[in-house]
Formats: sequence, structure tokens, C-alpha cells
Amino acid sequence: DIVMTQTPLSLSVTPGQPASISCKSSQSLLHSDGKTYLYWYLQKPGQSPHLLIYEVSSRFSGVSDRFSGSGSGTDFTLKISRVEAEDVGVYYCMQGIHLPNTFGQGTKLEIK
Amino acid sequence: QVQLVQSGAEVKKPGSSVKVSCKASGGTFSSYTISWVRQAPGQGLEWMGRIIPILGIAHYAQRFQGRVTITADESTSTAYMELSSLRSEDTAVYYCARAGGDYWGQGTLVTVSS
Repeated sequence: DIVMTQTPLSLSVTPGQPASISCKSSQSLLHSDGKTYLYWYLQKPGQSPHLLIYEVSSRFSGVSDRFSGSGSGTDFTLKISRVEAEDVGVYYCMQGIHLPNTFGQGTKLEIK
Repeated sequence: QVQLVQSGAEVKKPGSSVKVSCKASGGTFSSYTISWVRQAPGQGLEWMGRIIPILGIAHYAQRFQGRVTITADESTSTAYMELSSLRSEDTAVYYCARAGGDYWGQGTLVTVSS
């Protein structure tokens, strides 16, 4: 199975400051169709996860442009340009190219 | 707008089975893939398997192979996840999601307890 490794596992950020989460995969996530199947989700307390970013850098409908994704191959990053109180929760990366799909351990974002 | 609505919470005895449903509305059910993901208390997300309704083909994570069965009924736009030989470690919230995770169900808490 592909191992997805997120760092850090927790973040405490002052509102208005940026935040960054790294996700590294044990194998390349580049498909032969040219797409890279790396997703980012946010799970707010008591809620189902919801999609933020798909295929490395495409923001899902309705997601704030404060969120951006980048990377290629095996190294990926989620950035929040200016953290807001509503961004608290656990962030997960997931690879969708190989079965079984696998998630990172999650990164818990808290507000200072 | 796709909506996935799951069945309600379950309490099961060790050794028994549970079957969770996930009813889809909006979109074309048979054309998309439904995945099942679980989350044990205080833990992260774990992918269990998926089904492509139009093909009737299911894939499972190795660790659940032999215990999990994922099916789909196109006539009712409903996917099912059945987990057998339940043990206490299977206590978790079970989610269905469209592949890619753009839409998720609300989650179903399954508690395994004697």
C-alpha cells in the first residue's frame, strides 16, 4: 500500500497568519492519463470530511481562494494564505491513484 | 447537487454483521464510484473499498478482504457496505463518499459491544 506521510501533525496558528501542510507519498501519484490524483480534505469537529483540493491544485467548488495546493510526483503541499477561525479541524491528504486509496495521518489545525 | 444519505446508528454484538446503506440523490448514480471510509474514535480516515455501480465491480482493502462486501442497487440509487465477524475494534463512524470525495454521507456510527 502507498504510505502517505503528513507533517506536521499539529499546527497552532494566529488568525491572519499563513499555514502550510506537507504530504509525501511513498510512490508517484502521476497517472498515465497525465493527472495526479492527490486530494486534500478538511474535517471540522463533528462533521464529515469535505473536499478542498483535487488533483493537487484544483479548488473544489465554493472553497476559499485562501486555500491552495501544489506539488508533483510524491511531494505535495497545502497552503492557507491567511488562517481564519473557521479553518480549525483536521486536514487529510489522500491518494486516489492506487488501490487501496490511502490517507495521511491528518494534521490538526488550531487557532492561537 | 449530489446528496448521500446514510442509514442510522447501529449497536452490534461481537461476531455479528452490520449492513450500512447510502442512498444517493442528484447526478447519475450508476455513472460514479462510491467509496466507503471509516473512522475509529479519535483516529484518522481509513479507506475500506469501493464499487462502480454500472459495472457491479467492487474493490476492497486487503485488511478487510473476506469480511466486507460492498454492493449497489441501481434501481434505488443505494450503495451498501456489509461488515461481518464484527469485533470491538470495528467500532467507528462509517462514511460513504463519491470517489474523489466531492460528496460525503453524514456518517453512520457502528458500535460493537457485548
